[in-house]
Amino acid sequence: GAVVSQHPSRVICKSGTSVKIECRSLDFQATTMFWYRQFPKQSLMLMATSNEGSKATYEQGVEKDKFLINHASLTLSTLTVTSAHPEDSSFYICSAKYGGGSYNEQFFGPGTRLTVL
Amino acid sequence: RKEVEQDPGPFNVPEGATVAFNCTYSNSASQSFFWYRQDCRKEPKLLMSVYSSGNEDGRFTAQLNRASQYISLLIRDSKLSDSATYLCAAPKAAGNKLTFGGGTRVLVKP
Repeated sequence: GAVVSQHPSRVICKSGTSVKIECRSLDFQATTMFWYRQFPKQSLMLMATSNEGSKATYEQGVEKDKFLINHASLTLSTLTVTSAHPEDSSFYICSAKYGGGSYNEQFFGPGTRLTVL
Repeated sequence: RKEVEQDPGPFNVPEGATVAFNCTYSNSASQSFFWYRQDCRKEPKLLMSVYSSGNEDGRFTAQLNRASQYISLLIRDSKLSDSATYLCAAPKAAGNKLTFGGGTRVLVKP
């Protein structure tokens, strides 16, 4: 399958700081990437859809000014959690859509575990 | 009704046995479905895609029942390494987005 990397894998930060997470498709070009958040023992919740060269589309209830997304190239999307607070502690996972048209397979990065103190 | 629903389990399965579980979806127009496997504190990994009536890959069989709007996953000859949470996903009503179910936890025991 397609390979997606994510960096960093784990981050611990103080409340009020900003954290940047990178998601890269390593062996294919991804015009669309997705950012999810997963709290313990819960399922994946889609936060936003990241489109190369255009603004991200956020899901209802997700603050676009708090979760900044940039998709500057076909292989890189970044998520910045601004002014992080303890309630933002979660497992953040990106995925990349592989293939065109209605082919909807998504491949996931290994995730970033964020802990805000 | 939730877009995608799964029995959370856990399904306790003796090693070597067969286990099957379902996933119901609400969008009748969905054409593709996916089963992902997620190990504890790891990312989901694509297990199988389902585009027509079903798909089979080794010990894993996925079936699609459009009339009743559910997909199933069957695991034959369960291995200890099959212990994981299995997530099903279906496309949202519009666009490329997927909706994930809450996952079904499977525990294979010796």
